[in-house]
Amino acid sequence: QITLKESGPPLVKPRQTLTLTCTFSGFSLNTRGVGVGWIRQPPGQALEWLALIYWDDEKRYRPSLKSNLTISKDTSTNQVVLRMTNMDPVHTATYYCAHTFGASDSFDIWGPGTMVTVSS
Amino acid sequence: QSVLTQPPSMSGAPGQRITISCTGSSSNIGAGYDVHWYQQLPGTAPKLLIYDNSNRPSGVPDRFSGSRSGTSASLAITGLQAEDEADYYCQSYDSSLIGSWVFGGGTKLTVL
Repeated sequence: QITLKESGPPLVKPRQTLTLTCTFSGFSLNTRGVGVGWIRQPPGQALEWLALIYWDDEKRYRPSLKSNLTISKDTSTNQVVLRMTNMDPVHTATYYCAHTFGASDSFDIWGPGTMVTVSS
Repeated sequence: QSVLTQPPSMSGAPGQRITISCTGSSSNIGAGYDVHWYQQLPGTAPKLLIYDNSNRPSGVPDRFSGSRSGTSASLAITGLQAEDEADYYCQSYDSSLIGSWVFGGGTKLTVL
């Protein structure tokens, strides 16, 4: 059974760096075709894809945020970390990590999400 | 504005059939990229409902079906039930500079 869970600070100040961790089980990020992505959802708004990392360490970023995002993986601890610099109040959102596999670019299993508020 | 366009809201009575549209462009759906659909119940994470245009993951009732044609896709729900009241999002891949994995703006479905 695949599970993912996000963790991170519930509150960050503007201009600070946000570090989120996705801890997963039930799959390995060493397996060909496996990926983990990050998606966020501001309150009452739509989903927005941020970044994705594959088993072979290929990394993909939302073009408009590429300079602010860093995604990395630690296969020994089954974790994926997303760092987002220069946080702004408009980045207040629920942040989800999700599993993707194979030729489909869908996200088949999602974590419960973690709410992050950006405020001074 | 979302790259994929969905109606913001729809409603239907129990037992009815509704269809939610998702309109894209030549750089995403029209380019042949697959469309996926997610159901998000209030206060919960999205759940994959349809993948690769028309496939249902294990456990998803066959009341839910999807299709893709040209630059659009649609999600059909037959035999509407109260438990179907949720937000629905379409998702695809975009080859332009706008983004890679793209979502629709979401459709809030109300069961009357």
